[in-house]
Amino acid sequence: QQQVRQSPQSLTVWEGETAILNCSYENSAFDYFPWYQQFPGEGPALLIAIRSVSDKKEDGGFTIFFNKREKNLSLHIKDSQPGDSATYFCAASAGNNNNRIFFGDGTQLVVKP
Amino acid sequence: EAAVTQSPRNKVAVTGGKVTLSCNQTNNHNNMYWYRQDTGHGLRLIHYSYGAGSTEKGDIPDGYKASRPSQENFSLILELATPSQTSVYFCASGDGWGANERLFFGHGTKLSVL
Repeated sequence: QQQVRQSPQSLTVWEGETAILNCSYENSAFDYFPWYQQFPGEGPALLIAIRSVSDKKEDGGFTIFFNKREKNLSLHIKDSQPGDSATYFCAASAGNNNNRIFFGDGTQLVVKP
Repeated sequence: EAAVTQSPRNKVAVTGGKVTLSCNQTNNHNNMYWYRQDTGHGLRLIHYSYGAGSTEKGDIPDGYKASRPSQENFSLILELATPSQTSVYFCASGDGWGANERLFFGHGTKLSVL
């Protein structure tokens, strides 16, 4: 079954707005949650990540909010720019699972100028 | 300079033919992975490897074989290609063990099986 779920599948926001991408997971053993960003024609690249001991991680205009009790997290993109238009993958892994990283199906973000 | 290089970038194959997708990494990472990406399915793991000589089945291994002859090279082999294997394939290398591995992806190979 799907280990990591993302919503919405696609999201359109205007330039300057905050985009909110959601992610949830089933396995309580997951303790590392990276987000990967993918531009058209390229492979995904690590954007930002959080460990389950934290409830918030910021890097530039990107912030992860993590809720361990509810088993969900969200990526907030503040002051979105057209250059942030990409597909964003939420992922999860557990230290006791032989390195497997489980990806969600992605959220395609379009930022309109 | 690209650390994970895939070849070819585009491939057109015929049904029943043999296809080999190649991946080379200069990161000196032990772990390497093959994913396919289809609309609505995100990234699905086909095969992976923990080092030269090792290959492991991922979530969707049927119809695919993998080969890891060296630290740097990891190939994905379709012995009898089918139209359902039309997809974009990504190779990645991983930088460590435990729950904080970072994956470095290649640019992908677009495969069309006619």
